[in-house]
Amino acid sequence: DAGVTQSPTHLIKTRGQQVTLRCSPKSGHDTVSWYQQALGQGPQFIFQYYEEEERQRGNFPDRFSGHQFPNYSSELNVNALLLGDSALYLCASSLVGGVGFYEQYFGPGTRLTVT
Amino acid sequence: AQSVTQLDSQVPVFEEAPVELRCNYSSSVSVYLFWYVQYPNQGLQLLLKYLSGSTLVKGINGFEAEFNKSQTSFHLRKPSVHISDTAEYFCAVRKTSYDKVIFGPGTSLSVIP
Repeated sequence: DAGVTQSPTHLIKTRGQQVTLRCSPKSGHDTVSWYQQALGQGPQFIFQYYEEEERQRGNFPDRFSGHQFPNYSSELNVNALLLGDSALYLCASSLVGGVGFYEQYFGPGTRLTVT
Repeated sequence: AQSVTQLDSQVPVFEEAPVELRCNYSSSVSVYLFWYVQYPNQGLQLLLKYLSGSTLVKGINGFEAEFNKSQTSFHLRKPSVHISDTAEYFCAVRKTSYDKVIFGPGTSLSVIP
């Protein structure tokens, strides 16, 4: 049973460019959340997708957008990249459409470097 | 709104010694509590969680944590650490089973041979 997978592993972009990160949830999970982890800090919640819609959003600008596909996989898009967007981007999946508590499983992350 | 405080940013400890990593949280409602570990250049792995019931929670790799509602704390302990425990440890809270996870700033545990 594959866990949460993310691609690419590493990415280098230039200021002003756009980037797309991808996430495949753990088998059976229907919800995907994205987190940004700057160096030396704890992860910060960006947004959560459920049933192909953004259900919750953290304190991030509109440059950060996402999408969830019918197979529950998800993309995170960041436009007009800034140096401060350099971070590890973590995807987490869980099951919401069920009974009981379902923990979030995290992927290995995508390391984005903006130069 | 919930928040998480980890007062110790770095904790050095000798191999086979006990360790306690402190976590305090603030919330106006009941929350679920978690400890995650992050090894260098890797994602997050769940060590243990408190949902309800017994306040002493046992996790993987010999770690345990105790939930103290009156002190709003959820400290992580291990009686004897190994070199392989060197990592970043994050305390986290979650309001509901589908809510976002709010993380603390992390504690870097360094085990000294």
